[in-house]
Amino acid sequence: QKEVEQNSGPLSVPEGAIASLNCTYSDRGSQSFFWYRQYSGKSPELIMFIYSNGDKEDGRFTAQLNKASQYVSLLIRDSQPSDSATYLCVSRGVGRRALTFGSGTRLQVQP
Amino acid sequence: DAGVIQSPRHEVTEMGQEVTLRCKPISGHDYLFWYRQTMMRGLELLIYFNNNVPIDDSGMPEDRFSAKMPNASFSTLKIQPSEPRDSAVYFCASTSEQGNEQFFGPGTRLTVL
Repeated sequence: QKEVEQNSGPLSVPEGAIASLNCTYSDRGSQSFFWYRQYSGKSPELIMFIYSNGDKEDGRFTAQLNKASQYVSLLIRDSQPSDSATYLCVSRGVGRRALTFGSGTRLQVQP
Repeated sequence: DAGVIQSPRHEVTEMGQEVTLRCKPISGHDYLFWYRQTMMRGLELLIYFNNNVPIDDSGMPEDRFSAKMPNASFSTLKIQPSEPRDSAVYFCASTSEQGNEQFFGPGTRLTVL
């Protein structure tokens, strides 16, 4: 079992809809969680990070964390075709610098 | 800032040859990471350095892989001898002591024939 699990997708949503991306993690020692976006042929780039239970909003993006359920999600409101990419769920343990990446969910936003 | 710089961007070599990948982190960053990305295994951490010192090399697949960071502005990842299963995209990333975000370089696409 991978430490960070994601559905590989593709997740297809129409333009303007809400895209919901989910992941679960197995290490209860994980403290911080990140969502990276990776366009095809490009390098990953950070969208958001979260370390407290609850929701964190930044523009069209909302990250959600539930440590009891070991569940992290990313909501993208008003999805745009430019949001089409692979979204990587990432965890980091307490006092650690190393990141553990999920395998990614491919999102397709249909115009 | 130019961001993290990696070279070469593409490398095609034959099995058994030595391959050296290079990385220049963002100036002032204390941490440097080497990752490998494949379709089968996703993005995996190989090794990371703090202030030029290797901290965790548990992800290095085998002795054929070695990494060095002789100074704060340069790191190399060497594969000797290379094998076809080493074909992947190799990313270098850096971050500061206070930072949460790791900044990734453009990657080196390695193909071993």
